[in-house]
Amino acid sequence: DIQMTQSPSSLSASVGDRVTITCRASQPISNYLNWYQQKPGRAPRLLIYAASSFQSGVPSRFSGSGSGTDFTLTISSLQPEDFATYYCQQSYRTPLTFGGGTKVEI
Amino acid sequence: QVQLVQSGAEVKKPGASVKVSCKASGYTFSSYGIGWVRQAPGQGLEWMGYISGYNGNTNYAQKYQGRLTLTTDTSTSTAYMELWSLRFDDTAVYYCAREGIVAASYGDPWGQGTLVTVSS
Repeated sequence: DIQMTQSPSSLSASVGDRVTITCRASQPISNYLNWYQQKPGRAPRLLIYAASSFQSGVPSRFSGSGSGTDFTLTISSLQPEDFATYYCQQSYRTPLTFGGGTKVEI
Repeated sequence: QVQLVQSGAEVKKPGASVKVSCKASGYTFSSYGIGWVRQAPGQGLEWMGYISGYNGNTNYAQKYQGRLTLTTDTSTSTAYMELWSLRFDDTAVYYCAREGIVAASYGDPWGQGTLVTVSS
């Protein structure tokens, strides 16, 4: 199975901060990388697919980049509603696998 | 709008089975697949498997081979996840998500989740 490693596992930030979350795959996955946001008690929400493509309705402050084994999710200016846990997921090969998550806290 | 609505919470005894439904609306069911993901309490996300709404082909995570069955009823646009021989560590929230037509790609949108509790 392809292992996905996210860092950091948690971070503290303030409204307006620029936040970067990284995700590393244990082998090259081209651009088959997705990012999700999950708030407590809620289902995950797709933010970014294919490493850098925006899902409809996602604010433009979210962006994704990377290819191969190293990927990043950037929030350009953190808003109060962005405090949540973020997961990366590879869809290059089954079983699809997720990173361990990054909890963004105040 | 595109929506997936899952069945309600379940409490099961060890060794029993559970069947969770996921009813789709707002799109052509046969043009997409359905993936299933679970999340144990306080833990991360774990992919379980995928079924195509187009041809019914399935792909299961090795961990669940022989214990998981995914099916669809295209007449009602509903997908089902049945997990057998339940253990205490199967206690989790189970999610369905709309996926690609013949292969898992990315999940969007997701159902609201179904809590399955395994308890004696």
